[in-house]
Amino acid sequence: TQLLEQSPQFLSIQEGENLTVYCNSSSVFSSLQWYRQEPGEGPVLLVTVVTGGEVKKLKRLTFQFGDARKDSSLHITAAQPGDTGLYLCADKPKTSYDKVIFGPGTSLSVIP
Amino acid sequence: DAGITQSPRHKVTETGTPVTLRCHQTENHRYMYWYRQDPGHGLRLIHYSYGVKDTDKGEVSDGYSVSRSKTEDFLLTLESATSSQTSVYFCAISDSLNTEAFFGQGTRLTVV
Repeated sequence: TQLLEQSPQFLSIQEGENLTVYCNSSSVFSSLQWYRQEPGEGPVLLVTVVTGGEVKKLKRLTFQFGDARKDSSLHITAAQPGDTGLYLCADKPKTSYDKVIFGPGTSLSVIP
Repeated sequence: DAGITQSPRHKVTETGTPVTLRCHQTENHRYMYWYRQDPGHGLRLIHYSYGVKDTDKGEVSDGYSVSRSKTEDFLLTLESATSSQTSVYFCAISDSLNTEAFFGQGTRLTVV
């Protein structure tokens, strides 16, 4: 059974600071996704990465997929209070019936 | 926003009573999922469906059953609620293996 770990579990920073959160898998990712969940809402997809070494940017967010496709990082530049939320990584295995497996998440709080 | 509606949004019930949560979609997506979210555990899959009357168990299915008699509705039933089933429940939908999962806003269930 695949296990996803995320670190740190909690992160509290001041507005304007940079930060990086991490996601590691016990096995190779098929297709890695990052979601953000705001308080009281369901998760929303930020990005999907598929190829080892892939880097994707979404405004101030930079997503990197490890060469071996077993780890990923999310870097946020100049964090803003609107970035506050739970960041979840997930794997969509290429097995039947399309089950998404989620990590436990990193809870980010950006203080104005 | 994807058309997903969960009902009820909040519920308090007594131990031993049956409870049914409803997920309704207007997107005609094939796959539907029920997750529970608990602190430190992220999202854990309870049951999922890959078509009308086609369902299967996820990683935490004990004490839960599901039904999908129509494409748009996916019901989650707690046959005899226990305090350990106090959680936030999310429904999600997706169209195919390569598309994102869209989440509902969640149902907060408290079993007293």
